[in-house]
Amino acid sequence: AQSVTQPDIHITVSEGASLELRCNYSYGATPYLFWYVQSPGQGLQLLLKYFSGDTLVQGIKGFEAEFKRSQSSFNLRKPSVHWSDAAEYFCAVAARGGGNKLTFGTGTQLKVEL
Amino acid sequence: ETGVTQTPRHLVMGMTNKKSLKCEQHLGHNAMYWYKQSAKKPLELMFVYNFKEQTENNSVPSRFSPECPNSSHLFLHLHTLQPEDSALYLCASGLVEFDEQFFGPGTRLTVL
Repeated sequence: AQSVTQPDIHITVSEGASLELRCNYSYGATPYLFWYVQSPGQGLQLLLKYFSGDTLVQGIKGFEAEFKRSQSSFNLRKPSVHWSDAAEYFCAVAARGGGNKLTFGTGTQLKVEL
Repeated sequence: ETGVTQTPRHLVMGMTNKKSLKCEQHLGHNAMYWYKQSAKKPLELMFVYNFKEQTENNSVPSRFSPECPNSSHLFLHLHTLQPEDSALYLCASGLVEFDEQFFGPGTRLTVL
């Protein structure tokens, strides 16, 4: 079965600084990979996804993520963080051909200092 | 309405009450999901419905009873809950053929 690790529970960055959120997965092959964001009191919104092809994926709100097979990682990045990016971020994986089930990490809470 | 909607947004119930959560999707999807989100724990998949048929029950206690009358509606019937069942319950929908899921805003449930 697949699993996801988000090693950083909390991250604080200054507005305008760059951001990288880490995600490592465990799976026997290349999975489908996702990043979701959750604002307080809200559901999850999809930021971006990787299914195949170019390993650098562009998403909404200026986010991007890079799939690195050798490191089993799918880290999320943003070059300049805005105060409105403060939220919780979840990495998720799904097995190819394994049914439509997502496995989520425990999340990273992002705080943005003005 | 667009996307995935959930009602009610907040619910407080006693352990002897019976209540239901409702989810509706307006995206033309054929799969629907219930998740439980508790503090400091990963999202827990509870149930999966593909084409209105339940295909996954992730060892959920019988005090949670799902119902999917059609591909657009999903219910979670609750009875004799425990305080540890207090959580945010999220509904999601998607296409069986793909793994991307779209989430509703959730129902914040408190069991007294």
